[in-house]
Amino acid sequence: AQKITQTQPGMFVQEKEAVTLDCTYDTSDQSYGLFWYKQPSSGEMIFLIYQGSYDEQNATEGRYSLNFQKARKSANLVISASQLGDSAMYFCAMRDMNSGYSTLTFGKGTMLLVSP
Amino acid sequence: GAVVSQHPSWVICKSGTSVKIECRSLDFQATTMFWYRQFPKQSLMLMATSNEGSKATYEQGVEKDKFLINHASLTLSTLTVTSAHPEDSSFYICSILSGGPYNEQFFGPGTRLTVL
Repeated sequence: AQKITQTQPGMFVQEKEAVTLDCTYDTSDQSYGLFWYKQPSSGEMIFLIYQGSYDEQNATEGRYSLNFQKARKSANLVISASQLGDSAMYFCAMRDMNSGYSTLTFGKGTMLLVSP
Repeated sequence: GAVVSQHPSWVICKSGTSVKIECRSLDFQATTMFWYRQFPKQSLMLMATSNEGSKATYEQGVEKDKFLINHASLTLSTLTVTSAHPEDSSFYICSILSGGPYNEQFFGPGTRLTVL
């Protein structure tokens, strides 16, 4: 069974600083995908970034980058130059690539608060 | 990305009544849709995978007779909470597979259900 662990219930960061949100995972599969989603107070889940287990380079998407350390089974999200609008809940998720339905397993999430 | 809508955005009902939640894919034909439930300050839990024209696949512990899912077309899936009880009060979110390079899930805005 797959498991996602996010050990930081909450994080504080000042505007314009960088912040790292931790995510570790556990799976016996060789092929898998890792996702980060942002959930603002409105409730909608917003896709941020994806990392495939066979990708050799760390994924980047604008101010978001993923620090993928396969041997340590970690996929930390780095947000550079934080903005007030980044305040939200962030979820790490894993997809079993062998699953016919591409289901996601989510971590418990980290609440990020960006202060002026 | 694909646009997913849900209706209603919030609903309050009496205990014992049934409530139907709609999930529409507005610009993408979604063969597969997913239904999640999220309790306050908790993560998303997959309830079921809905496939157009066939029966939904329910996760372990989810009562299929209580949470009826109908995926009658490529753009519409419905979740009906039958004989709702206060413990069914939750945030219900649907998603579709994007069909993009990462096949990420695009989520609807969610429906807040409160059962009195």
